[in-house]
Amino acid sequence: SQTIHQWPATLVQPVGSPLSLECTVEGTSNPNLYWYRQAAGRGLQLLFYSVGIGQISSEVPQNLSASRPQDRQFILSSKKLLLSDSGFYLCAWGPLGEGQETQYFGPGTRLLVL
Amino acid sequence: GQNIDQPTEMTATEGAIVQINCTYQTSGFNGLFWYQQHAGEAPTFLSYNVLDGLEEKGRFSSFLSRSKGYSYLLLKELQMKDSASYLCAVRDSNYQLIWGAGTKLIIKP
Repeated sequence: SQTIHQWPATLVQPVGSPLSLECTVEGTSNPNLYWYRQAAGRGLQLLFYSVGIGQISSEVPQNLSASRPQDRQFILSSKKLLLSDSGFYLCAWGPLGEGQETQYFGPGTRLLVL
Repeated sequence: GQNIDQPTEMTATEGAIVQINCTYQTSGFNGLFWYQQHAGEAPTFLSYNVLDGLEEKGRFSSFLSRSKGYSYLLLKELQMKDSASYLCAVRDSNYQLIWGAGTKLIIKP
């Protein structure tokens, strides 16, 4: 069965510091991978998605970036965090879907920028 | 633009039935999904509709009308553990999921 891991679970960072969040998937090959952000009490905002190694699509211009160095690894980064970067960051995986195939989420990272 | 609307919050009583509505306007349609998200946790998949009609899964059912751009999630025999946010998402013509903001469901004893 497939599992998805994210770390760290929580993170408190000062404004202007760098960020690196990691996501890995087990039990599947060549998944589509996604980074979402969820502000408190709000819906999911798609940040990046990737259909393969080195292939990244950005949905929202911002000071964040993503990389996919390996098939089942997806990294979210920032060189300098802003207060507005605080939120719940969710990594998801899914096949390019027809039918009931949908996206499955990791446990999330709660980021607080002070 | 693409838009998905859900009520922000609903309250229901333990043991009762509640219906959470979702209306959508998207560029293309390749299925509608409902997810449950407990506070502080990741969303988990509940149901999928691609054809008009009702899909039943135990205490949960989901309905779709493509001509009306409308879906609802029906929860029966409510339990306290059903207190959560319920997210509606539509898969568009690019096979990307477009997400609603979610409906926070509060269950009272």
